[in-house]
Amino acid sequence: GNSVTQMEGPVTLSEEAFLTINCTYTATGYPSLFWYVQYPGEGLQLLLKATKADDKGSNKGFEATYRKETTSFHLEKGSVQVSDSAVYFCALRGNTGGFKTIFGAGTRLFVKA
Amino acid sequence: EAQVTQNPRYLITVTGKKLTVTCSQNMNHEYMSWYRQDPGLGLRQIYYSMNVEVTDKGDVPEGYKVSRKEKRNFPLILESPSPNQTSLYFCASSLSIGTDYEQYFGPGTRLTVT
Repeated sequence: GNSVTQMEGPVTLSEEAFLTINCTYTATGYPSLFWYVQYPGEGLQLLLKATKADDKGSNKGFEATYRKETTSFHLEKGSVQVSDSAVYFCALRGNTGGFKTIFGAGTRLFVKA
Repeated sequence: EAQVTQNPRYLITVTGKKLTVTCSQNMNHEYMSWYRQDPGLGLRQIYYSMNVEVTDKGDVPEGYKVSRKEKRNFPLILESPSPNQTSLYFCASSLSIGTDYEQYFGPGTRLTVT
């Protein structure tokens, strides 16, 4: 079945550092890929998405490219801020299991001033 | 404001006492689902609904029930809660079925069963 694996956290960075959170997936067919972010005490919200191979999703300085050849969707940001501290979830939505969304376990990011 | 609302936000209950967590969306979305979030496990789908009167089991449906009598509402029912159902629950909706559609999440309900 479909699955998502993302790097374990927590990840601790200083402000203005470069961020990479790795995400790889296993899927049949042509899923869409997503990054969601969860701030403390809140529900998840969409950060960015890519719906086909080689698409790049971007938002708020974050980027991720849908790489079918390496089955990856790594999240990057060139310069993190304290306000980026949150939990980040990689996810895929395929056309099996009732178009279910499969989530990774989440990666907690701490950014120090 | 477009949103998914859940109630209650926090609930402490005892084993065996039936409870309902409500979920409502005002975006006319067709697809709704319930997830539970547990440390180290990410989000796991409990039940989903593709439209009114159409519901199906997700990955962890045991001990839960749902109904979809109206498009906007998708309540989660625990007929006889047990301590292993202590978790953080999220309701989510998306415009339609299809791989391209992202999900919109409610704020979560933290349930403790003693």
